[in-house]
Amino acid sequence: QSVLTQPPSVSGAPGQRVTISCTGSSSNIGAGYDVHWYQQLPGTAPKLLIYGNSNRPSGVPDRFSGSKSGTSASLAITGLQAEDEADYYCQSYDSSLSGSHVVFGGGTKLTVL
Amino acid sequence: EVQLVQSGAEVKKPGESLKISCKGSGYSFTSYWIGWVRQMPGKGLEWMGIIYPGDSDTRYSPSFQGQVTISADKSISTAYLQWSSLKASDTAMYYCARRSLRGPSYYFDYWGQGTLVTVSS
Repeated sequence: QSVLTQPPSVSGAPGQRVTISCTGSSSNIGAGYDVHWYQQLPGTAPKLLIYGNSNRPSGVPDRFSGSKSGTSASLAITGLQAEDEADYYCQSYDSSLSGSHVVFGGGTKLTVL
Repeated sequence: EVQLVQSGAEVKKPGESLKISCKGSGYSFTSYWIGWVRQMPGKGLEWMGIIYPGDSDTRYSPSFQGQVTISADKSISTAYLQWSSLKASDTAMYYCARRSLRGPSYYFDYWGQGTLVTVSS
């Protein structure tokens, strides 16, 4: 059971827009921690896609965007392309009695129909 | 160019020890924390712990505390993840990743290619 909750799967046709949600709580996203997103193409290592809720690293197409509100965050992909088919993970921090720690969402598999 | 290059795949028996490595290049290795992330077959990412090679300050996820040891040798820009007694449930892909300088909500901006560890009798 991941601390951050993502839908197991989403799908969309080429050219469409899809969103992936990441739901947390008052001890992580709701506590003000930023949310970051990673893309993991099949058989490869994760790659940073969005950092600080809505910032794209150099080289990431502007078809990818992120937002955060309250205890949730979202990743939006517009103009869906076949090459976007991958697993997507959100990441933040969680504060507990043992300190603050990195937490990941369970991941969402994006299928391009 | 920033690179994290991990050691090759390993096949081990239960009870054996193992140390895998992650060599950084293209940046000041002692200035950035290096984290380790586990991905079990067909599953998601799990944060294991992190080390600051500059002074070897190490933090562990509560889920992995006591199960693994993270270390670093700054003289050769290499971080390590080790087990003293492997279990079948340690079978997974292990990634090292560089933590961003910008916090407090740090992210991992560069990742190694992964090391597949298979534990089987």
